[in-house]
Amino acid sequence: GAVVSQHPSWVICKSGTSVKIECRSLDFQATTMFWYRQFPKQSLMLMATSNEGSKATYEQGVEKDKFLINHASLTLSTLTVTSAHPEDSSFYICSAREGREREGYTFGSGTRLTVV
Amino acid sequence: DAKTTQPPSMDCAEGRAANLPCNHSTISGNEYVYWYRQIHSQGPQYIIHGLKNNETNEMASLIITEDRKSSTLILPHATLRDTAVYYCIVRAPGSARQLTFGSGTQLTVLP
Repeated sequence: GAVVSQHPSWVICKSGTSVKIECRSLDFQATTMFWYRQFPKQSLMLMATSNEGSKATYEQGVEKDKFLINHASLTLSTLTVTSAHPEDSSFYICSAREGREREGYTFGSGTRLTVV
Repeated sequence: DAKTTQPPSMDCAEGRAANLPCNHSTISGNEYVYWYRQIHSQGPQYIIHGLKNNETNEMASLIITEDRKSSTLILPHATLRDTAVYYCIVRAPGSARQLTFGSGTQLTVLP
């Protein structure tokens, strides 16, 4: 089945630094990928939709200059958290949809970001 | 996408069947019912989906009522590894939009 690889699985960084998270579709091409954020004991909240070869679409309230998304190829999307602060600490998850409806959407394993 | 309602939590004894309900009374004729689950600190995992007929795969069975206003996900022999949050999502097929997650049901399988 479809596999989405997300890296790193966890990262600790200092306030003010930037962190890049990669999301790769391993065995299929994804023109669209999605980035979610999940705070403890809450559900997944969509942050942005990543479109290959064009600008990402951000949800209301998500700062596009803080959460930089690049989708330069059909198998790779990256999310960069710039000038991270402790309130950015969260679980970040990417998702991609393969063409076959049967498998629905495939999710990465998530990245636990802790900003200290 | 139609709104769904799920109980916030359920317990199930290991080895017994886990039946997770979902109400979707405003479902449209072309919308499917999807189930995903999220084990703690992992990304969501696709389980099963269906339109109106009951569906079964290696993971679970999906029972959809005749009026399609509710459904039940059945894990026939729950194990401790099935402890997770289960999400019921209703949407039309072929949509390229994102999945929208509600609060789901926290299933705890007890030894």
